[in-house]
Amino acid sequence: DAGVIQSPRHEVTEMGQEVTLRCKPISGHDYLFWYRQTMMRGLELLIYFNNNVPIDDSGMPEDRFSAKMPNASFSTLKIQPSEPRDSAVYFCASRSGQRHTGELFFGEGSRLTVL
Amino acid sequence: SQQGEEDPQALSIQEGENATMNCSYKTSINNLQWYRQNSGRGLVHLILIRSNEREKHSGRLRVTLDTSKKSSSLLITASRAADTASYFCATVDTGFQKLVFGTGTRLLVSP
Repeated sequence: DAGVIQSPRHEVTEMGQEVTLRCKPISGHDYLFWYRQTMMRGLELLIYFNNNVPIDDSGMPEDRFSAKMPNASFSTLKIQPSEPRDSAVYFCASRSGQRHTGELFFGEGSRLTVL
Repeated sequence: SQQGEEDPQALSIQEGENATMNCSYKTSINNLQWYRQNSGRGLVHLILIRSNEREKHSGRLRVTLDTSKKSSSLLITASRAADTASYFCATVDTGFQKLVFGTGTRLLVSP
């Protein structure tokens, strides 16, 4: 299996622009998580899905952030409009609900820089 | 929000030495996991210990869990330069839903 695939790996944009980050989870995994990593706040859980349905979005910073999972093999995290404080590495991770352990498989991350 | 606090924040040792990292958490858990992150990469799962276990081994890794103190430790024996990375503990709630990560320990192993 190719693992969790994220794109783009790097994104540099200007304040006010829309940013879309993409994730393809491991085939057969029914949980998908979006995390954000910064030096100041560490790894923060933004939102997670189970069977394509958002379960907990309490970590989403504000209305500028939105996430979708239209099918089992694709998810997006959108920031509109972007701000410099959104600069971070965004990780997507997936896991199988059948294992009942919670072990996550991470993508390589999308490094976002908002100027 | 972060569940775990890790100690130390940074650790610098020589190859061949042992490295010990500690993690404290706040709420009841189903299991606790340790992950490794190389610079610029995603996190990789290392080892999992369940709440009813006290110690677990995997190769050069040894993990302990003390649920009464809400703490865990990760020991890497006979460290190598390739062990240089950040190490994170993460707790899984009793509903097996969310994984909440600690603040991490940056380990530097010098040749």
